[in-house]
Amino acid sequence: EADIYQTPRYLVIGTGKKITLECSQTMGHDKMYWYQQDPGMELHLIHYSYGVNSTEKGDLSSESTVSRIRTEHFPLTLESARPSHTSQYLCASSESSGGNTGELFFGEGSRLTVL
Amino acid sequence: GDSVTQMEGPVTLSEEAFLTINCTYTATGYPSLFWYVQYPGEGLQLLLKATKADDKGSNKGFEATYRKETTSFHLEKGSVQVSDSAVYFCALSYSGSARQLTFGSGTQLTVLP
Repeated sequence: EADIYQTPRYLVIGTGKKITLECSQTMGHDKMYWYQQDPGMELHLIHYSYGVNSTEKGDLSSESTVSRIRTEHFPLTLESARPSHTSQYLCASSESSGGNTGELFFGEGSRLTVL
Repeated sequence: GDSVTQMEGPVTLSEEAFLTINCTYTATGYPSLFWYVQYPGEGLQLLLKATKADDKGSNKGFEATYRKETTSFHLEKGSVQVSDSAVYFCALSYSGSARQLTFGSGTQLTVLP
């Protein structure tokens, strides 16, 4: 049973709209991540966070922004969506360094389509 | 830097066939190695892992052995089922690292009845 939740699972919106993808985890993990998955399946890290008030950009440049005001919550926002933002977005979390084996726990993903 | 290379897919097998998905890595240190599976329409789930050389990870009939001498972590299953159809990702990470996983590009497996 998943302890990391993403909403919405599917979203179809028009160009120029602002959207927020929600991600919440109940495991008390300090570290959280957003990955973008392209149609070829490859995963690209776009944002990550070490903990509250900590956010960093990942390997793939993204026009999205993230915030980490609470440990359990790591939303991703697009201020003005474009068709190029159409993708699958996966949220993940992991334990802090002390208990960290490197394993990530993933949500089920949010599939965004921008028309 | 670190990298993970997976065999290119897609891979199509008949039910009960033997499966091998190759994975090799380049790493500057001594990483942990992982196989994740993504079923259609879902997120990734950890399938198995190995944290040091010569360790064997196993789960649901799948196995992979951490081979430091060949820098490999090939995924194997003796008899695949239709329900194994999914995308498989090889990955590495370092315990305590803030950046976490480096993923391979994924291999699509389709098992036909």
